[in-house]
Amino acid sequence: DQQVKQNSPSLSVQEGRISILNCDYTNSMFDYFLWYKKYPAEGPTFLISISSIKDKNEDGRFTVFLNKSAKHLSLHIVPSQPGDSAVYFCAANVYPGGTSYGKLTFGQGTILTVHP
Amino acid sequence: KAGVTQTPRYLIKTRGQQVTLSCSPISGHRSVSWYQQTPGQGLQFLFEYFSETQRNKGNFPGRFSGRQFSNSRSEMNVSTLELGDSALYLCASSSGWSGADTDTQYFGPGTRLTVL
Repeated sequence: DQQVKQNSPSLSVQEGRISILNCDYTNSMFDYFLWYKKYPAEGPTFLISISSIKDKNEDGRFTVFLNKSAKHLSLHIVPSQPGDSAVYFCAANVYPGGTSYGKLTFGQGTILTVHP
Repeated sequence: KAGVTQTPRYLIKTRGQQVTLSCSPISGHRSVSWYQQTPGQGLQFLFEYFSETQRNKGNFPGRFSGRQFSNSRSEMNVSTLELGDSALYLCASSSGWSGADTDTQYFGPGTRLTVL
């Protein structure tokens, strides 16, 4: 039972354009969502997060949108740069505590390629 | 502030052996979570420790165990290694306190374990 899904295994974008990565979840108890960027053989790097009390959060070129009714979140990268090429994971957690302590549930990842 | 460190970075073991991996969290962080990443299963939660206590555990066999020391450093042990244990093992640290904006997990570079 995959509770967090990234249905697009890959995405190819031209430099300077917008990259939109999507993520769907099924567990309505999730209330904190994160995006990570990962290079092969390295640990994930935290990019941006959003709690369920918000529907948008921005940090520089990165914006995350949350649609709770649709159980859908997306990461927008504007403008995209070749250095953004990596695997992007969305992750979710339940707050507060309880059986969810320290447990992030990850999607399968989307490979983003930004062409010069 | 130094990031999460993991040692060793690479390990080669044979079936039946046991292995211990180490993780030092970001200074001030008291929670350490462990994850296994494989091509087939993606990133999966193993367990979480906070103040030397295991607060949460994923769906892995008892061969996978861990502990946390008073300085928040954590170790993970896998006994009786199987070929399927070959994976990238990641640890992540966070403050450990419940609250949507305070418990972002930051990952180390991982330990690549190969079981022959």
